[in-house]
Amino acid sequence: EDKVVQSPLSLVVHEGDTVTLNCSYEVTNFRSLLWYKQEKKAPTFLFMLTSSGIEKKSGRLSSILDKKELFSILNITATQTGDSAVYLCAVDYGGSQGNLIFGKGTKLSVKP
Amino acid sequence: DVKVTQSSRYLVKRTGEKVFLECVQDMDHENMFWYRQDPGLGLRLIYFSYDVKMKEKGDIPEGYSVSREKKERFSLILESASTNQTSMYLCASSHTPGDSYEQYFGPGTRLTVT
Repeated sequence: EDKVVQSPLSLVVHEGDTVTLNCSYEVTNFRSLLWYKQEKKAPTFLFMLTSSGIEKKSGRLSSILDKKELFSILNITATQTGDSAVYLCAVDYGGSQGNLIFGKGTKLSVKP
Repeated sequence: DVKVTQSSRYLVKRTGEKVFLECVQDMDHENMFWYRQDPGLGLRLIYFSYDVKMKEKGDIPEGYSVSREKKERFSLILESASTNQTSMYLCASSHTPGDSYEQYFGPGTRLTVT
């Protein structure tokens, strides 16, 4: 059965800390892995990863994929209270319409 | 700018009512999706559509139906709402891929069934 597992499920840090969120997956026909940030409403897209070992970076956020070990990490450096959100990992498992399987998310709380 | 809109942000319905949730996208996307999101369960796919009048069941289609009469509009129907359908409903759309691609989400509809 295809699945996506995120860890930890929740995390509390202080401003300025660096955090690492994990996403492991088992899918029969991997095409890409996506990270989303969800605050009060709908998820917003962060990164799409298709190739192993190539880091994607956007400001203080970065992500990398390991297709051999079947996982991805999302790093956030110098965290701010505005980073508080649920971070979702999703894997495109190769259906013709590009359907995604989502993990349950990691709830990050950044305290001042 | 990419836009997916949903007809209501908050909705309160009674058990047994028929409920329509509407989703419209202005990106000429072929694919549209309905998810529900519940605490501890993440996002789960209810139905998706890859073309007008085409639909396929997702992981949890029971108690739901969908309609796609026009490319830009995808409706989720709860034929007889039940309390266990209280949830956040998210619509998404995407372009038919050559390679992988991202889904664009609407703002969500928080449905409460009493």
